[in-house]
Amino acid sequence: AQTVTQSQPEMSVQEAETVTLSCTYDTSENNYYLFWYKQPPSRQMILVIRQEAYKQQNATENRFSVNFQKAAKSFSLKISDSQLGDTAMYFCAFMYNNNDMRFGAGTRLTVKP
Amino acid sequence: GAVVSQHPSRVICKSGTSVKIECRSLDFQATTMFWYRQFPKQSLMLMATSNEGSKATYEQGVEKDKFLINHASLTLSTLTVTSAHPEDSSFYICSARLREQVSYEQYFGPGTRLTVT
Repeated sequence: AQTVTQSQPEMSVQEAETVTLSCTYDTSENNYYLFWYKQPPSRQMILVIRQEAYKQQNATENRFSVNFQKAAKSFSLKISDSQLGDTAMYFCAFMYNNNDMRFGAGTRLTVKP
Repeated sequence: GAVVSQHPSRVICKSGTSVKIECRSLDFQATTMFWYRQFPKQSLMLMATSNEGSKATYEQGVEKDKFLINHASLTLSTLTVTSAHPEDSSFYICSARLREQVSYEQYFGPGTRLTVT
């Protein structure tokens, strides 16, 4: 069974600084997808970034980038130039072969002014 | 594009009654929809996977007779909580997968807060 672990329940960062959220997962599969979702106070799930396991290059979306270490089964999210609007819950998620998505427990990020 | 709506956004019902939550993909066809439950300050827990035209697949521990799921069309899935009890109070979120999508991304609805009194 696939499991996703987020070991940081809460984190904080000063506005304009950089923060990294950790995520590890466990799977025996070789081809899969990894996601980071943001859930602000509105509770609407918003896709932040997506990584295909077969791609060696780390995904990047503007201020958001990942460090994907397939052998270590690690998928961390780096947020650069943090903004107040980045304050939210962040969930790491795993999906294999058109199956359902499995989420980590989440990390509550607070960006301080 | 790829917008998913849920209705209602909030609902309060009395213990013992049933309540239906709708999930619609507004601008795309979804062969698969998912229903999640989220307790306060917790993660999303998958309840069931709903495929158009077939019976839903429920996760272990989820009572299929209590949480009735119907995926009537490629744009609509419904979750009916039957004989609701206060412990069913939670935030319910649906998501939909694009029919021809290759990246397996799910598009999430805004959620429905259910309170059972």
